[in-house]
Amino acid sequence: EIVMTQSPATLSVSPGERATLSCRASQSVSSNLAWYQQKPGQAPRLLIYGASTRATGIPARFSGSGSGTEFTLTISSLQSEDFAVYYCQQYNNWPRGTFGGGTKVEIK
Amino acid sequence: QVQLVESGGGLVKPGGSLRLSCAASGFTFSDYYMSWIRQAPGKGLEWVSYISSSGSTIYYADSVKGRFTISRDNAKNSLYLQMNSLRAEDTAVYYCAFMVFASPIDYWGQGTLVTVSS
Repeated sequence: EIVMTQSPATLSVSPGERATLSCRASQSVSSNLAWYQQKPGQAPRLLIYGASTRATGIPARFSGSGSGTEFTLTISSLQSEDFAVYYCQQYNNWPRGTFGGGTKVEIK
Repeated sequence: QVQLVESGGGLVKPGGSLRLSCAASGFTFSDYYMSWIRQAPGKGLEWVSYISSSGSTIYYADSVKGRFTISRDNAKNSLYLQMNSLRAEDTAVYYCAFMVFASPIDYWGQGTLVTVSS
């Protein structure tokens, strides 16, 4: 099984600042990497797929990069609605995609 | 539009059983793999089980193997999860999701809470 490791577990950021989240795969997943946002009481929402393509309706302040085993999600200027938990998921060996443990972005 | 509506969650004692259902609409249900993903309180996402469009391919996480059974009824556009021998560690919100080939999950249900406690 491919293990996905996210860091940091918690990121404290002030509104308007940039947030950088990392995700590492235990083996190459090519560009088959997605990012999700989850707010309390809600299902996850797809933000990024193919490592760098924004899903429909996702603001341009969200961007993804990386390939192989190292990936990054960047939120360029945090808005109040962006404070949430973010998960990465590899789907290179679909349908057995695996999730990372999550990064909580909290208000500093 | 795509809708996935889970039901059947609730409070059950350790060792008990529950059957979750997911009613699907807005897409051709019989064409797609379907899955159950759970999230324990304050924890991350865990893939529980998936089933192929015909039901011929099924996967279970090791944590539920032998206790949970996934099934589907394509005539009723419905997905099921029969959960037996429930344990405290099965307490979670259970999400239904549909899976497009070689793609991430774009559609999730709202989730149904299963609480295993005496």
